[in-house]
Amino acid sequence: GQQLNQSPQSMFIQEGEDVSMNCTSSSIFNTWLWYKQDPGEGPVLLIALYKAGELTSNGRLTAQFGITRKDSFLNISASIPSDVGIYFCAGIYPGSSNTGKLIFGQGTTLQVKP
Amino acid sequence: DGGITQSPKYLFRKEGQNVTLSCEQNLNHDAMYWYRQDPGQGLRLIYYSQIVNDFQKGDIAEGYSVSREKKESFPLTVTSAQKNPTAFYLCASRGTGTGVIGELFFGEGSRLTVL
Repeated sequence: GQQLNQSPQSMFIQEGEDVSMNCTSSSIFNTWLWYKQDPGEGPVLLIALYKAGELTSNGRLTAQFGITRKDSFLNISASIPSDVGIYFCAGIYPGSSNTGKLIFGQGTTLQVKP
Repeated sequence: DGGITQSPKYLFRKEGQNVTLSCEQNLNHDAMYWYRQDPGQGLRLIYYSQIVNDFQKGDIAEGYSVSREKKESFPLTVTSAQKNPTAFYLCASRGTGTGVIGELFFGEGSRLTVL
């Protein structure tokens, strides 16, 4: 099965810094989602995007649905220690909305130094 | 509280043994999913079920089996045919008709180690 290409694989940053990560695909998606997984837990949805070009914010998080429908970006501003975890992008193919089948990226592991 | 409960959280198994992972939800969701998580590989879909008594193979179904006899329950059996079963297994559910499209609710996972 296809997976999304997510980068970077890991980041080690200082508290207060901004963070950017992205996801690309060779196929188009009609929905992009970003999840966060805390250590020892299951992923939790952060942001969902449904239209090409859409820019959506959730607190210090901002995500964009790429114009080509083949990519998405997540930015975290002014990072804090509780931002630590694994961030996953996920997409839904056109025609797969009824099944809810998500294709996940490999994840970006974020570590924040106080 | 509503949610998804997976058990056991940690499980050790000898090679050649089957093991069943439990997943129960009280969210009244129709759809349920099993994902496998390996370091650096993200989440890969094993099986999913959109309704009771029906389920479909995902991308990596070989060596696994499931059942969906009740809406609340979707157990996963890791059989001896699974060549590399050591992994973190995540169960999820999804409501249909309401809520955020694409939002899966995950359990806390089960970590299986084959000795």
